Amino acid sequence: DVKVTQSSRYLVKRTGEKVFLECVQDMDHENMFWYRQDPGLGLRLIYFSYDVKMKEKGDIPEGYSVSREKKERFSLILESASTNQTSMYLCASTGREGLGLNEQFFGPGTRLTVL
Amino acid sequence: LAKTTQPISMDSYEGQEVNITCSHNNIATNDYITWYQQFPSQGPRFIIQGYKTKVTNEVASLFIPADRKSSTLSLPRVSLSDTAVYYCLVAGALMRFGAGTRLTVKP
Repeated sequence: DVKVTQSSRYLVKRTGEKVFLECVQDMDHENMFWYRQDPGLGLRLIYFSYDVKMKEKGDIPEGYSVSREKKERFSLILESASTNQTSMYLCASTGREGLGLNEQFFGPGTRLTVL
Repeated sequence: LAKTTQPISMDSYEGQEVNITCSHNNIATNDYITWYQQFPSQGPRFIIQGYKTKVTNEVASLFIPADRKSSTLSLPRVSLSDTAVYYCLVAGALMRFGAGTRLTVKP
């Protein structure tokens, strides 16, 4: 059974802290994504990666960075967390053939609260 | 970049057919249209994907007109367990999810 796992379901951090969100997939997928989900705004793409050590900005990269040192792992980093980054964060992965062609497999999400 | 627009919410009753339409006026030639379903506290799950005309699988149908500027997800005979948020995604080079449609199925 295919699986995308995220390191935490719930996380509470303080303003200014450095936050790491980890995502691991066991499907040998080339492409991995980080989204944030907010009420009324749907899913917005933060960053994606199509290969190890490669990354591309999505629609809302400001305040975030990413790291992909291994194929199965994609990390989202909040260098200095702010209250407006309180949100649900979702990780997803897909295979090689054309980003739009493939089914995206999502993790369960991490609900981050920044106080 | 293709932007999608969906109704914010819809109500239905068990056993009815539900049609959810997504507008994507500036869809690109190489974009595919994909629909996802999301239950509370879970990540979205793939339902169906198409490029043009009609696609049908065991859970839904997807209707795409010739100009591809909209698409309609059709759920036949919905049940209470179909209550969820449904997202339309137009994707080629980048992913563009809509804001989602919250479907509530009533007994």
